[in-house]
Amino acid sequence: AQSVSQHNHHVILSEAASLELGCNYSYGGTVNLFWYVQYPGQHLQLLLKYFSGDPLVKGIKGFEAEFIKSKFSFNLRKPSVQWSDTAEYFCAVNANQAGTALIFGKGTTLSVSS
Amino acid sequence: GAVVSQHPSRVICKSGTSVKIECRSLDFQATTMFWYRQFPKKSLMLMATSNEGSKATYEQGVEKDKFLINHASLTLSTLTVTSAHPEDSSFYICSARARDSRYEQYFGPGTRLTVT
Repeated sequence: AQSVSQHNHHVILSEAASLELGCNYSYGGTVNLFWYVQYPGQHLQLLLKYFSGDPLVKGIKGFEAEFIKSKFSFNLRKPSVQWSDTAEYFCAVNANQAGTALIFGKGTTLSVSS
Repeated sequence: GAVVSQHPSRVICKSGTSVKIECRSLDFQATTMFWYRQFPKKSLMLMATSNEGSKATYEQGVEKDKFLINHASLTLSTLTVTSAHPEDSSFYICSARARDSRYEQYFGPGTRLTVT
């Protein structure tokens, strides 16, 4: 079974600082990788996803993530955060098989001060 | 496209009663739907996976007699919390996978259940 680890529980940054949130997964087969964001009081939104191909994927709002297969990692990055990026960020994985559900990490709370 | 709705968005019920939550895919056919539970400041915990026309598959530790899931059509799945107790209070989120999508899930806005 897959599992997902997000090592940063709460990250506090000032505006314009760079962001990197760690995500590691555990699964022996091929996986699909996702990052979701949940703004306060709102539902989950997809930031970006990786299925195959270029391991550096770009998502919405200036976010990107890099899949490093040898490290089982899919870290999320943003060069310069804004106050509006304050939210909960979830990394998720599913096995590359039809019908399998997304398994989520515990989430990272990002607080950006202006 | 790929919109998933949930109804109701919030519900308050008394202990011992049952509550039904609906999840609809509005503009696509969902062959598979998933139900998650999210506690405050916590991640989403997968409760069950349901395929249209067949019985749901529950995750370990989730009581299937308490959380009844029905996926009667390609656009509708329901979660019924039977004999609800205060500890069932939580945020329930459904997601749906389209017929032509093997991997991507589209999430509903969630239902806040409060049991008094």
